[in-house]
Amino acid sequence: EIVLTQSPGTLSLSPGERATLSCRASQSVSSSYLAWYQQKPGQAPRLLIYGASSRATGIPDRFSGSGSGTDFTLTISRLEPEDFAVYYCQQYVSSAWTFGQGTKVEIK
Amino acid sequence: EVQLVESGGGLVQPGGSLRLSCAASGFTFSSSWMSWVRQAPGKGLEWVANIKQDGSEKYYVDSVKGRFTISRDNAKNSLYLEMNSLRAEDTAVYYCARCIFGRSAGYFDYWGQGTLVTVSS
Repeated sequence: EIVLTQSPGTLSLSPGERATLSCRASQSVSSSYLAWYQQKPGQAPRLLIYGASSRATGIPDRFSGSGSGTDFTLTISRLEPEDFAVYYCQQYVSSAWTFGQGTKVEIK
Repeated sequence: EVQLVESGGGLVQPGGSLRLSCAASGFTFSSSWMSWVRQAPGKGLEWVANIKQDGSEKYYVDSVKGRFTISRDNAKNSLYLEMNSLRAEDTAVYYCARCIFGRSAGYFDYWGQGTLVTVSS
C-alpha cells in the first residue's frame, strides 16, 4: 500500500500570501493518478487538481499542481479568504485509492 | 447539474447492518465508475469501495473486505453500500462520489453531501 504523507500539518498564512503544500508518496506514483482536493468545514471535498497538474473545471488559476515520482506540490499563488480550508492529496495504484492525512491552511 | 444524494445513515449497534443509498442525476450514471469514501469525525478521508459501470469489477479497502458490499442499479441511477458486522471504527460520514478511472486517470470529480453512520451501543 502506498502511503501519502502531507506536510506541513498546518500552514498559518495571511490573505495574499503564497501557500506551498507538499505530498510525499512512500513509493513512486504515476502523475496521472495524483489529485488534490479542498474541504471546508461541514462540506464535501471538492476536486482541485487531477493528473498532478490539471485544474478541474471552475478552479481558479491561482491553484497549481506540480511534481512527479514521490514528490508533489499544490501551490496557491495568492490566498483569498475562501481558500482557508483543509487540502488532501490522493493517489491510485493497484486497485486501491489512498488519501494523505491533510494540510490545514489557516488564517494567521 | 450533477447531483449525488446519499441516504440511509443512522445509529446502529456494533455487529449490526445498514444499507446506504446514493441517488445520482445530471450525468450518465451507467457510464461512470462510482465510489464510496468515508470520513471519521475530525479525521481525514478514506476510500472505501469502487464499482465499475456494469458492476463487473468491485474494489474495497482491506478494512471492509468481507463486511461491506458495493452495488448499483443503473436503471434507477442508484448506488448502494451494504454494511454488515459494523464496528465502532466504521463510524463516519459516508460520501458517494463519481470516480473518473481509466488508463490515465483515477480521481473523484463529484461528491454528495454525505450521510452519517454512527456505530455505538
